[in-house]
Amino acid sequence: EVHLVESGGGLVRPGGSLRLSCAASGFTFSDHYMDWVRQAPGKGPEWVGRIRNKVNSYTTEYAASVKGRFTVSRDDSQNSVYLQMNSLKNEDTAVYYCTRSVVGSGCFDYWGQGTLVTVSS
Amino acid sequence: DIQMTQSPSSLSASVGDRVTITCRASQDIRNDLGWFQQKPGKAPKRLIYSAFSLQTGAPSRFSGRGSGTEFALTISSLQPEDFATYYCLQHATYPHTFGQGTKLEIK
Repeated sequence: EVHLVESGGGLVRPGGSLRLSCAASGFTFSDHYMDWVRQAPGKGPEWVGRIRNKVNSYTTEYAASVKGRFTVSRDDSQNSVYLQMNSLKNEDTAVYYCTRSVVGSGCFDYWGQGTLVTVSS
Repeated sequence: DIQMTQSPSSLSASVGDRVTITCRASQDIRNDLGWFQQKPGKAPKRLIYSAFSLQTGAPSRFSGRGSGTEFALTISSLQPEDFATYYCLQHATYPHTFGQGTKLEIK
């Protein structure tokens, strides 16, 4: 069974940094693209960023709202994906979800339970 | 960026009703569209991918259709557990974008 478990959320001041982790199990992690999606309180989901698999050189994509501040990385030996968030703003407050994508079969077929990031002074 | 416009934004219906939610893309996205269901406090769950393919484990009362810019999600006979918020998602181009959501409520 596929499991995605996020960790690392919490309260951080504007301008601060936070690193989220997502531990994956139940599938061949190295085969898949992995994405982060966030959802601000009372709002719809917003795609944040993606990291492709080794076959596709671990290349990344980002939403304009986070480009230059957030970095997605992965460690296939640990079946984990990470989201490094720097220069955090109040508007980054959201639940952050780790998701899996299957090349050729759409996006976000499995989601973690999410981890809450609150940016506030 | 591609804009995804869902309608209606909210919908009241009864158990057993047939309901349809639509999603319009601001430009051609082929069939690179998914539908998701979200209940309060939970992560979204994918129901449909590639516009009309049923996610493994999703009930067969859910169906999707469309291509290009016009898409629809139909629930053939509403069940109590279907009352939730539904989102479409395009993944044809970056950034991937969601619709604003349709809240399905019990009449």
